[in-house]
Amino acid sequence: DAGVTQSPTHLIKTRGQHVTLRCSPISGHKSVSWYQQVLGQGPQFIFQYYEKEERGRGNFPDRFSARQFPNYSSELNVNALLLGDSALYLCASSLGTESYEQYFGPGTRLTVT
Amino acid sequence: AQTVTQSQPEMSVQEAETVTLSCTYDTSENNYYLFWYKQPPSRQMILVIRQEAYKQQNATENRFSVNFQKAAKSFSLKISDSQLGDTAMYFCARENNAGNMLTFGGGTRLMVKP
Repeated sequence: DAGVTQSPTHLIKTRGQHVTLRCSPISGHKSVSWYQQVLGQGPQFIFQYYEKEERGRGNFPDRFSARQFPNYSSELNVNALLLGDSALYLCASSLGTESYEQYFGPGTRLTVT
Repeated sequence: AQTVTQSQPEMSVQEAETVTLSCTYDTSENNYYLFWYKQPPSRQMILVIRQEAYKQQNATENRFSVNFQKAAKSFSLKISDSQLGDTAMYFCARENNAGNMLTFGGGTRLMVKP
């Protein structure tokens, strides 16, 4: 079975632009979480979606938004990009919430110039 | 803010030897889950081992085991018979009571030397 997939692998954007990152969970998984990992640091939680509803939100500005589709795939959107948004964005899927193991994708490396 | 702290930014160990990575955390909850994740240079985060806080028995998974001290809020990872493939970043993480968020530590870079 395919693992969690993310696209694109890398992208470069300019300050002020908008970006959309995509994630496909493992088949059968209904929960998707997004994390931001700045170089040299641990991942920080951004959002969790379960059954197309937002179940959790981390301490990120409103420029960050996400949604989950009926097929449980997800998009993370970031508006008005700042240099500090440069990071590896990780998507993780799980069967549900509460103690289910989260399986991580390979990440999308975003560089903002 | 509830935090997870890994006090060892980098560690090294000789192949076949044992190494212990430290982790402490802060929580006001009584029931929660703790995890160790491995992130090799290829970037894919992989679950190594998990511990349920209400279980006193330390989790083990082949060469990996934990020393869970609930009162001290300590959760260390022991890797026995270290292998070259164990070279990676290791992250300690705690899941909140609502089960919708992992809080990660800053990571420990482990180098296994031949």
